Amino acid sequence: NAGVTQTPKFRVLKTGQSMTLLCAQDMNHEYMYWYRQDPGMGLRLIHYSVGEGTTAKGEVPDGYNVSRLKKQNFLLGLESAAPSQTSVYFCASSWTENTEAFFGQGTRLTVV
Amino acid sequence: AQSVTQLDSQVPVFEEAPVELRCNYSSSVSVYLFWYVQYPNQGLQLLLKYLSGSTLVKGINGFEAEFNKSQTSFHLRKPSVHISDTAEYFCAVSDRRTDKLIFGTGTRLQVFP
Repeated sequence: NAGVTQTPKFRVLKTGQSMTLLCAQDMNHEYMYWYRQDPGMGLRLIHYSVGEGTTAKGEVPDGYNVSRLKKQNFLLGLESAAPSQTSVYFCASSWTENTEAFFGQGTRLTVV
Repeated sequence: AQSVTQLDSQVPVFEEAPVELRCNYSSSVSVYLFWYVQYPNQGLQLLLKYLSGSTLVKGINGFEAEFNKSQTSFHLRKPSVHISDTAEYFCAVSDRRTDKLIFGTGTRLQVFP
């Protein structure tokens, strides 16, 4: 039972490069979320989705785009990476807004 | 917009002592409340949640939390901590109007022998 899987686990990008982070869940969850975790700032919501084909902005959406073409996958894109986007990124999924969110192991991204 | 405040960034405590981690949120209208724990280099795991009903909620590993609507608080407590409770704890609010799941800045609990 894989749960929530994030790929890649580590990545180093140069400023201006683009990349896509993949989140896959095998629990048939409707809700999916992308967060970034920075020291002293907790987890900040980037974007989220309440079902296949839907996406919405979170607290810190600028510089990121997302897509939810399939229910089990939630992609986070950085079109032009900046050093300020150096962070640990977490994906999570849940059945609804009042059920447990299951988290992936995180992706450590460094932008140089 | 909904927000979550965890006033204590770090809480040091000796083993077997009681502990309280504080959490306040901006509005009690249409919210669900959660506490999650994060061990080093891992994702988050659910400790407990409040949806409705009894204001005292019991969770895993001996933790409990009390929902206080008038003070918009949801403090986490444990009567006797263990070394293994050393971790970072996050309070979270799910806004029923927007479906956003918002986290606080976290409290690092360090338990000393």
